[in-house]
Amino acid sequence: EAGVAQSPRYKIIEKRQSVAFWCNPISGHATLYWYQQILGQGPKLLIQFQNNGVVDDSQLPKDRFSAERLKGVDSTLKIQPAKLEDSAVYLCASSSLGTGSGKGSPLHFGNGTRLTVT
Amino acid sequence: GNSVTQMEGPVTLSEEAFLTINCTYTATGYPSLFWYVQYPGEGLQLLLKATKADDKGSNKGFEATYRKETTSFHLEKGSVQVSDSAVYFCALSAGAGGYNKLIFGAGTRLAVHP
Repeated sequence: EAGVAQSPRYKIIEKRQSVAFWCNPISGHATLYWYQQILGQGPKLLIQFQNNGVVDDSQLPKDRFSAERLKGVDSTLKIQPAKLEDSAVYLCASSSLGTGSGKGSPLHFGNGTRLTVT
Repeated sequence: GNSVTQMEGPVTLSEEAFLTINCTYTATGYPSLFWYVQYPGEGLQLLLKATKADDKGSNKGFEATYRKETTSFHLEKGSVQVSDSAVYFCALSAGAGGYNKLIFGAGTRLAVHP
């Protein structure tokens, strides 16, 4: 099966500019996640979608970050305006897990978008 | 809250050496536990998992046993290869309301030399 696709692979912007990342999950996967991975740290969940509804966005900095998943398939994550501390790899993942399907379902990750804010 | 603590790296080993990467967790309820691996230039990949106490996950010669009494999930391999050089992440799944959510440790970089 095709994996999780993300684009772009790399992005360099200046602070206060805006940027958007795109993710196409594995076909049929209902759950989609955006993680932020700062250099030297583990990934941190930003937002989780179940189909096109938000399940968890408790760690999303909503004053500057937004995400949507129209039609329950592709998703975009936007940062506006960007700050220096937003420099990180942004990972998209998907899972076939549905409600109550159990905690053991693995997440499938894309290769990520490396964002550098200067 | 839920959290994962891993031993700091980097871990540097010679080929065919024994590997242990320690992982302990804090969680409410009964989480599932995972090891993910990130090879240079690639995305995170699931290495192994265990869904309940005393389960042993294994893959590619790696093993980890879910120890509820010590809240640990240490990763081991009997004989590492150069190709095992990567960053290894321990993670737990803390589903709330039936929804899966992975919480990661900081990662441990492994470098294996010939």
